[in-house]
Amino acid sequence: DTEVTQTPKHLVMGMTNKKSLKCEQHMGHRAMYWYKQKAKKPPELMFVYSYEKLSINESVPSRFSPECPNSSLLNLHLHALQPEDSALYLCASSQDLGETQYFGPGTRLLVL
Amino acid sequence: AQSVTQPDIHITVSEGASLELRCNYSYGATPYLFWYVQSPGQGLQLLLKYFSGDTLVQGIKGFEAEFKRSQSSFNLRKPSVHWSDAAEYFCAVGPITFYSGGGADGLTFGKGTHLIIQP
Repeated sequence: DTEVTQTPKHLVMGMTNKKSLKCEQHMGHRAMYWYKQKAKKPPELMFVYSYEKLSINESVPSRFSPECPNSSLLNLHLHALQPEDSALYLCASSQDLGETQYFGPGTRLLVL
Repeated sequence: AQSVTQPDIHITVSEGASLELRCNYSYGATPYLFWYVQSPGQGLQLLLKYFSGDTLVQGIKGFEAEFKRSQSSFNLRKPSVHWSDAAEYFCAVGPITFYSGGGADGLTFGKGTHLIIQP
């Protein structure tokens, strides 16, 4: 089983809202990732969480905040987003850092 | 810095014809190489990967890819395409060392090749 689940599938939010995206895997993977994908563009890595350590792509604005409540869950908290943040947000996990990454179906986010 | 180049933005192939999608990479050490496929509005599905060993790797759905170190290439092939193969194909390289807070791993993706299948 190589399933990564993401909820919600779609999300529409205003620029003053606070929302969260959820990612879950039950494969015992020790690394989880958030990617952002704009239309007709490749995914871009935002965060990596592994061994209770968060690594951040320094180009990601602070209005995105990841949280890892346990080893199988990775949330992405959203606050005061901008319309240009509208994108498909993909979660992935891997057995360990450097191993094959398995992707979830994504959450399509629209910021109005 | 690591990078991936997919020189073909769009490719049109007739159903039943053979397919080759090109991928060139730049990486300072021995790379891990991947091909993923993405249908519209969907997540990415792994087709195949190369870590080490045999340079010709087999994947799902009848795809294969060949790692050529001398050419820094990892081209994807399929002998006979089906209409259901129409999708976006991404080549990716990893692991990459990351940034603040210490090392981490993620993938660097090429810009993708959009595959169109003609009946």
